[in-house]
Amino acid sequence: AQSVTQLDSHVSVSEGTPVLLRCNYSSSYSPSLFWYVQHPNKGLQLLLKYTSAATLVKGINGFEAEFKKSETSFHLTKPSAHMSDAAEYFCVVSDRDDKIIFGKGTRLHILP
Amino acid sequence: GAVVSQHPSWVICKSGTSVKIECRSLDFQATTMFWYRQFPKQSLMLMATSNEGSKATYEQGVEKDKFLINHASLTLSTLTVTSAHPEDSSFYICSAGGGLLAGGWSYEQYFGPGTRLTVT
Repeated sequence: AQSVTQLDSHVSVSEGTPVLLRCNYSSSYSPSLFWYVQHPNKGLQLLLKYTSAATLVKGINGFEAEFKKSETSFHLTKPSAHMSDAAEYFCVVSDRDDKIIFGKGTRLHILP
Repeated sequence: GAVVSQHPSWVICKSGTSVKIECRSLDFQATTMFWYRQFPKQSLMLMATSNEGSKATYEQGVEKDKFLINHASLTLSTLTVTSAHPEDSSFYICSAGGGLLAGGWSYEQYFGPGTRLTVT
């Protein structure tokens, strides 16, 4: 069985400081992992994805995530937060049957 | 949190027929529902945004006459794939957001479990 856990429901950082959104997963197979962002009243937007290639994945808007099999983690990071990064972020795991599981989401707040 | 259900969870249909997928928010009056499609090993693709009582807003490249969306009430949205073809085979997911829960207004997004459509 597969699952995904986003460890923080809310994260607050000051503008210009680093962002870390944590995600742990469990999967019986080599999973595909995704991070999505959702701004208020908007649909999901793909930030980045891992599909068994390079373990460090670079995405849009300066975000990146590192797949760590030993820690079963896929944390999302950004060196310097911007006000426009305030949104809800979802970590998603997909296994070989293409069934996808969403994390509960992390709301990122950016403090001026 | 709210529960969003989809029915059916999987469906097989013949080419040329139409299929309706329901998305229900069971304890949540959602003003907005989103429909997504996922191709194998790919990310979700937003198809359309529907607001209760108004026409859906389709993303570029999505045929609105082929993928009919109806959001007749705050708890039900339907996606009808008309004249389905094998290339329409996919995993369809809905989500509901921005609505009233028992404890008050919620801005969270709640996802359905998805519907796998196979067109033969």
